[in-house]
Amino acid sequence: EVQLVESGGGLVQPGRSLRLSCAASGFTFDDYAMHWVRQAPGKGLEWVSGITWNSGYTGYADSVKGRFTISRDNAKNSLYLQMNSLRVEDMALYYCAKDMGRNLVRGVIEYWGQGTLVTVSS
Amino acid sequence: DIQMTQSPSSLSASVGDTVTITCRASQSINAYLNWYQQKPGKAPKLLIYATSSLQSGAPSRFSGSGSGTDFTLTISSLQPEDFATYYCQQSYSIPLLTFGPGTKVDIK
Repeated sequence: EVQLVESGGGLVQPGRSLRLSCAASGFTFDDYAMHWVRQAPGKGLEWVSGITWNSGYTGYADSVKGRFTISRDNAKNSLYLQMNSLRVEDMALYYCAKDMGRNLVRGVIEYWGQGTLVTVSS
Repeated sequence: DIQMTQSPSSLSASVGDTVTITCRASQSINAYLNWYQQKPGKAPKLLIYATSSLQSGAPSRFSGSGSGTDFTLTISSLQPEDFATYYCQQSYSIPLLTFGPGTKVDIK
């Protein structure tokens, strides 16, 4: 059974940093691209960032480019999102998500975690 | 960047109805269009990928069609568990993905 368990969310002041983690299990982690998707309270889904299976390519939404960094540790079956210079508008539930493509990015999100909540407030 | 729109933004329907949701891309995305269902307080679930391929475990009353810029999700014989919000998402410009704003389906 595929499991994605996010952690690291919490309350942070504007301008500060936070690092999210996602522990993956139930599949061969280093075969698949991974993504972070967020959802602000009462709003829709917004793709944040994605990374290929071997970290060879990363992509970011314009709204977070230059502030957020995605990374992964295949030895630890873990995905990360380093979030710097946080803004009030970054407040959301952040989902870790598994791409459907094996050894390629398909951009189809096959599995989602339950999310970790990031609150940005002074 | 590719923008996605959905219509309607919400609709009310009865159990047994056939429901159609439309998704439009700002440029051609071929068949790289996926649909997700999200219930309140839950993570989204993949329903349909590549326009018309039904995800394993998704009920056959869900179907998708379209190509280029215009796509539809059809729910035949709406069931109580289908009341949810539905999102389309393009996977043409990978790894940069874009979701539509969502369509909320509720009970009439």
